[in-house]
Amino acid sequence: DGGITQSPKYLFRKEGQNVTLSCEQNLNHDAMYWYRQDPGQGLRLIYYSQIVNDFQKGDIAEGYSVSREKKESFPLTVTSAQKNPTAFYLCASSIGQSGEKLFFGSGTQLSVL
Amino acid sequence: SQQGEEDPQALSIQEGENATMNCSYKTSINNLQWYRQNSGRGLVHLILIRSNEREKHSGRLRVTLDTSKKSSSLLITASRAADTASYFCATHHSGGGADGLTFGKGTHLIIQP
Repeated sequence: DGGITQSPKYLFRKEGQNVTLSCEQNLNHDAMYWYRQDPGQGLRLIYYSQIVNDFQKGDIAEGYSVSREKKESFPLTVTSAQKNPTAFYLCASSIGQSGEKLFFGSGTQLSVL
Repeated sequence: SQQGEEDPQALSIQEGENATMNCSYKTSINNLQWYRQNSGRGLVHLILIRSNEREKHSGRLRVTLDTSKKSSSLLITASRAADTASYFCATHHSGGGADGLTFGKGTHLIIQP
């Protein structure tokens, strides 16, 4: 079955801790994205990558970091610099680089202990 | 960034009735997309309408686009309990690439059995 797999589904972070959210896709898509969703809000773009070994900041990149060493994988690290990390994080991918028709994973809920 | 704004924020109807949601935006767009999100899940792409199109159908879904009014509507006919979800419009603004997609806050639709 082709798709996007995010793990874990739930994640808890302690003060001062970095945590990494996993995102893997087997759709052979070029572009991958990370979005943050807060309750009752739309999605806000954190980072995106159009090609391996290249990524760009989105609207709210501060306190986050990413890597794109393989086409299939786009992990997101929430660093201790992100002071309000509690949110639902969504990974997505798309064919090509046009931002048309995004395919989403099932999300990771990050909470602060 | 210029988000699309959905209206209403919430909508509750009886099963079998039609549901209409609206989206307004501010800048010129390449296309407008509608997505569905079930509670605690990722988004699912429903339909994309390009700026030179006025109406599109997909099964029980009908989308219209009025670029002169900068607005779109999503109609779900003969609603079912399984249609209960949040619906988001996403606008891809002119000149935007992979980062050119912005999401509204969504309409929460409840179908009463």
